[in-house]
Amino acid sequence: ETGVTQTPRHLVMGMTNKKSLKCEQHLGHNAMYWYKQSAKKPLELMFVYNFKEQTENNSVPSRFSPECPNSSHLFLHLHTLQPEDSALYLCASSQADRALHFGNGTRLTVT
Amino acid sequence: AQSVTQLDSQVPVFEEAPVELRCNYSSSVSVYLFWYVQYPNQGLQLLLKYLSGSTLVKGINGFEAEFNKSQTSFHLRKPSVHISDTAEYFCAVSDADSWGKLQFGAGTQVVVTP
Repeated sequence: ETGVTQTPRHLVMGMTNKKSLKCEQHLGHNAMYWYKQSAKKPLELMFVYNFKEQTENNSVPSRFSPECPNSSHLFLHLHTLQPEDSALYLCASSQADRALHFGNGTRLTVT
Repeated sequence: AQSVTQLDSQVPVFEEAPVELRCNYSSSVSVYLFWYVQYPNQGLQLLLKYLSGSTLVKGINGFEAEFNKSQTSFHLRKPSVHISDTAEYFCAVSDADSWGKLQFGAGTQVVVTP
């Protein structure tokens, strides 16, 4: 059972829709991350939050908007996405041992 | 910035045979090194990590890896694989002074057959 829970597991949305991905970690970690996993490409770091403060935005388009209301919850708000945004979006958390603990991801399909 | 090279995109292996997955990274500064496994329709699960100390690191599921600083490598090994080891394996590295910014390799797909 993963200590990082992501919902929904699957999401299909049109290019004009607005949706949100949710991540919750039960590990007491202080840092949370969004990664994008596309077919045949290495994982791409999107955002990093430490103690609720955003410390990294890896040149992510503004149609992706993260929110971190507290150290246990992380959201990714999506609007006017493109078909090339279809991917597996992975949330992770970490603490002093630097290892990332991942959720099972949200499989996003943009139509 | 770090870069990570996983030299094999796919490794076929017979059940109960040994397997080695190769990983090289670019930087010579102090680094932290990780191996993750991803089963179908799941997230990444940590297999093992090297932060400091002994260069031979033992992880879960019988896997181990050896940190070689002079060759900037962190190869993953298992002496005898099972069908259930069929998965994708990712090597990752971060600079020791760079909190949480892991650079991942492209992955190695391991296919275990009877």
